[in-house]
Amino acid sequence: GENVEQHPSTLSVQEGDSAVIKCTYSDSASNYFPWYKQELGKRPQLIIDIRSNVGEKKDQRIAVTLNKTAKHFSLHITETQPEDSAVYFCAASKGSGNTGKLIFGQGTTLQVKP
Amino acid sequence: NAGVTQTPKFQVLKTGQSMTLQCAQDMNHEYMSWYRQDPGMGLRLIHYSVGAGITDQGEVPNGYNVSRSTTEDFPLRLLSAAPSQTSVYFCASSTQGSTEAFFGQGTRLTVV
Repeated sequence: GENVEQHPSTLSVQEGDSAVIKCTYSDSASNYFPWYKQELGKRPQLIIDIRSNVGEKKDQRIAVTLNKTAKHFSLHITETQPEDSAVYFCAASKGSGNTGKLIFGQGTTLQVKP
Repeated sequence: NAGVTQTPKFQVLKTGQSMTLQCAQDMNHEYMSWYRQDPGMGLRLIHYSVGAGITDQGEVPNGYNVSRSTTEDFPLRLLSAAPSQTSVYFCASSTQGSTEAFFGQGTRLTVV
């Protein structure tokens, strides 16, 4: 089955710096890759996603890149702010979108220091 | 519009006890899933369903049962609780027309 590895497990940056979180997946049939943000004590929420027919997607300060050949994808956050501090999860699934079977990475705790 | 509702929010069980975690969604979503979240291990898929009457196993199904008799409800049953099942459990739902999975607020379960 699918296996998703996420690195680093913790990341500390200064406010205004960029943060990059990387994930690799094992199943070449996976074609949908979302990123979720989970603030302390709250539920995960989708922040951005990408399909396998797209190499990059941006939404304001957040971007995701996908390398299908290498089977890895990354989350880029620019101009980080203290409110970006949270746990971030990558995930992968097959099918045309989210079919309820998301396989998640282990999570990255991002700390943005003011 | 309540979204995805999980009950209870907190639960303490003794080893060997049984219980059912409830999950209900009011968005008419086809897909529903259960995940457990443990420190350093992310969210691991327990069971999922692509529609009423259809369920399948995820990554860590042992010790858990599910059923999907209606579109709205997807209960998770622990038949004989073990300390290894101490975790935070999340239910999620989604629909084929959208890519986002909507999560419930979670159930924190402690087995002593």
